Amino acid sequence: EVQLVESGGGLVQPGGSLRLSCEASGFTFRSYWMHWVRQTPGKGLVWVSRISSDGSSRRYVDSVKGRFTVSRDTARKMVFLQMSSLGVEDTAVYYCAREHLVSRHFDLWGRGTPVTVSS
Amino acid sequence: QSALTQPASVSGSPGQSVTISCTGTNSDIGGYKYVSWFRQHPGKAPQLLIYDVSDRPSGISDRFSGSKSGTTASLTISGLQAEDEADYYCSSYTTSDSLEWVFGEGTKLTVL
Repeated sequence: EVQLVESGGGLVQPGGSLRLSCEASGFTFRSYWMHWVRQTPGKGLVWVSRISSDGSSRRYVDSVKGRFTVSRDTARKMVFLQMSSLGVEDTAVYYCAREHLVSRHFDLWGRGTPVTVSS
Repeated sequence: QSALTQPASVSGSPGQSVTISCTGTNSDIGGYKYVSWFRQHPGKAPQLLIYDVSDRPSGISDRFSGSKSGTTASLTISGLQAEDEADYYCSSYTTSDSLEWVFGEGTKLTVL
């Protein structure tokens, strides 16, 4: 089955760190650019980060630059989001999404993993 | 870089048509064909409905159609069904220095 499954979310104190994982299955993972998108409670979607198929290119939204790091492990078919210096504003459901091979759009999403930053 | 502008809510009766607008800038919607639309039911992941302004992925009903004029994209849902009640988001690739993709604020569709 073609799917993405996120894990690693949870409750963390302000200033803390968390590592999110996204496991891919059912498709040729190494060919795809992968993204993280988050959704705050009751709010809309916000693009967070992107990593290219070979991992050589990474981008971040300004609000997480210097705090979040995206990486991938092709052998394990996984993409990660290392988050540090977390603030309450980072509380959200984090989705892993796949970018289509040819056209630029998100054609596959995971179910998301919730992150709560609170003391 | 602000979110794309969508109406907070729209509504329609079963069988009717509704259109949701999504307004951006020349750096995103106006500059690229990479406009997508997603539907999201409560507690679920977003589902792709439209990509490249007006193309539908396989398995998506032709009741969903997309268009673009200048810096505004639109999603039209015809023959409204109860299952269409959900949140709808647009997205676009952007040349902003601060991010790569921008999403709309979301529109709640209520089927009366």
